Amino acid sequence: AQKITQTQPGMFVQEKEAVTLDCTYDTSDPSYGLFWYKQPSSGEMIFLIYQGSYDQQNATEGRYSLNFQKARKSANLVISASQLGDSAMYFCAMREPLSGGYQKVTFGTGTKLQVIP
Amino acid sequence: DSGVTQTPKHLITATGQRVTLRCSPRSGDLSVYWYQQSLDQGLQFLIQYYNGEERAKGNILERFSAQQFPDLHSELNLSSLELGDSALYFCASSLERESGIDTQYFGPGTRLTVL
Repeated sequence: AQKITQTQPGMFVQEKEAVTLDCTYDTSDPSYGLFWYKQPSSGEMIFLIYQGSYDQQNATEGRYSLNFQKARKSANLVISASQLGDSAMYFCAMREPLSGGYQKVTFGTGTKLQVIP
Repeated sequence: DSGVTQTPKHLITATGQRVTLRCSPRSGDLSVYWYQQSLDQGLQFLIQYYNGEERAKGNILERFSAQQFPDLHSELNLSSLELGDSALYFCASSLERESGIDTQYFGPGTRLTVL
């Protein structure tokens, strides 16, 4: 079964509008971390935002916020006031601690966001 | 800049050849991960090293091997290259504490083209 599911292969958003990228996850471990990465056409993977499973508040980093709904196992990324430079592939990822200090990481398949001027 | 460096940035080689990709983790990070990203298979985890020792293996082919050196830099060796090995290869590093969850930071990637 998929541990991280991103159901939107591609999305369009008008410049200056907000957009939500969906991510659902599956784990039975109470301790885990959720991450979002941005991959522009140049190829690099840029860390955007992190949410810990025990964090009471939704994470925010500038224009990025993570809508964390633990009971629904969803960790959607919200980008406010979209800019042309936000056009990129976005990946959701989850890290889970395993025995021996090892942290397993799983990535979703990504959502391609295109910002329209 | 994530602080993770990878060399070379681009690599073009022929089938059957062998190449070495190099990665230096962020200062203080003990763990290095290698990923392969191809158009048809997305981001695939290959292998992880922690403080010089192999920690976990993913979908790594037997033709591929890696190691992490005492100074914590890592090398990914790809041999008997095939056309299908053409991909973007990422290195990522994290602190990997015993408890807690650490952020993984990615290098800029090495784009390998096998002709």
